[in-house]
This record gives sequence, C-alpha cells and structure tokens, in this order.
Amino acid sequence: NAGVTQTPKFQVLKTGQSMTLQCAQDMNHEYMSWYRQDPGMGLRLIHYSVGAGITDQGEVPNGYNVSRSTTEDFPLRLLSAAPSQTSVYFCASSWEASNQPQHFGDGTRLSIL
Amino acid sequence: AQKITQTQPGMFVQEKEAVTLDCTYDTSDQSYGLFWYKQPSSGEMIFLIYQGSYDEQNATEGRYSLNFQKARKSANLVISASQLGDSAMYFCASDAGGTSYGKLTFGQGTILTVHP
Repeated sequence: NAGVTQTPKFQVLKTGQSMTLQCAQDMNHEYMSWYRQDPGMGLRLIHYSVGAGITDQGEVPNGYNVSRSTTEDFPLRLLSAAPSQTSVYFCASSWEASNQPQHFGDGTRLSIL
Repeated sequence: AQKITQTQPGMFVQEKEAVTLDCTYDTSDQSYGLFWYKQPSSGEMIFLIYQGSYDEQNATEGRYSLNFQKARKSANLVISASQLGDSAMYFCASDAGGTSYGKLTFGQGTILTVHP
C-alpha cells in the first residue's frame, strides 16, 4: 500500500537554489496539502488544494509555489531557498478538506546552507 | 482562525497505566473536527482518533479515547494501558468549515514517555 509518497527523503541545498519536493498519492483523494514542521512546533500549513487545478494559501505560503495538474500529484517548489526554510516538510491527503483524517507522507528533511 | 493549545510539553506514565493528554481549542465555527496524531521518533505522522463537533458520543479507537467537552472547548486524549511503544510526540489538531475550510491547525505537541 503506497498511500502518500514523498521524494526525496533528505536534501541539502545552498541558499538561492531552487528545487521541487514531490508528493504523490494513489488513494484518489481530492484534498492535498503541504506542511512544514520546525523544532518545538507543530505542523504549519503552507499550501493546499481541494482538487486538480485548485490551490490556495495556508498559514506560511511565502517562498513556496504549488500546482495541481492531476489528482495524484501535488509538488511544492522552493523558488530561491533561504536558511529559514530549513525544516521537515510533510505532504498529506484526504477525501475531503474538512472533517476527514489526513494521511501523511513520511516527510522530507530539507537543510538550506 | 482556529487555535490549538497543548499545555503539557512533556508527560510521563508508567507502563500499563492510563494517561490523559490535554488539548483546548478556540474556534468560532459551529462545525469543526478534532484530531489526534502520533509522531514517533522515526518521524511519521500517524492518525489516531477523530471527533466531530456534532458527535454526541466521545470517540474511541482501541486504547485511545477522546474526552470531548464542548462547553469547555477541550478534546483530551486518553490512552489506556500504556505501552512502551506509546512513547512519542502527540499532536492535537482541528479543522473547520467556513473561512477555515481546508486548513488543519496543530498544537505544539506533547512528548509522552512511557516508563517500564
């Protein structure tokens, strides 16, 4: 059972570099989202999507872009990496946007030097 | 906007004992959901239990139960018969409709340590 798959699991970038964190789910979920988790804090919502072609901002969207061209995939793009974006990133999906438990990927640990 | 407060940074419990992890929430929405997730040291997020705001019965899932007190805006997690494998970080979270649609808000978490 694949569920939510995130790649890569670890990544080190230099300040100013760009990269894309990949997220794919095979459960035909309409809702997908990206969170970041910083030490001593809970998860904070970056961007989310309620279906293909529809995205919206969460609590901490600055410095990140998303797109949703298919139901399965929801990539997160860092346009110009900054040390403040060093974090663990989680992708999640669920049948609906609210009142449904979200299924999380295993996370991507990202370090920006 | 919603806010989740977990006031216990760390909790200790003896194996086979029960433990309660506190969670209070602040929302102006009438319809909302409350969730608990477990994050072991390996890092993954594991869904434990869900309570809808209109559910009259407290949710239960095996050894997990959610003590939902709507008037107090609290949604405490009760773990019965603790096991060593329960040692982990636990997060309370909520979502809602209206302006909070699609936005899951997390508390800061409680680290639970189970002693043998």
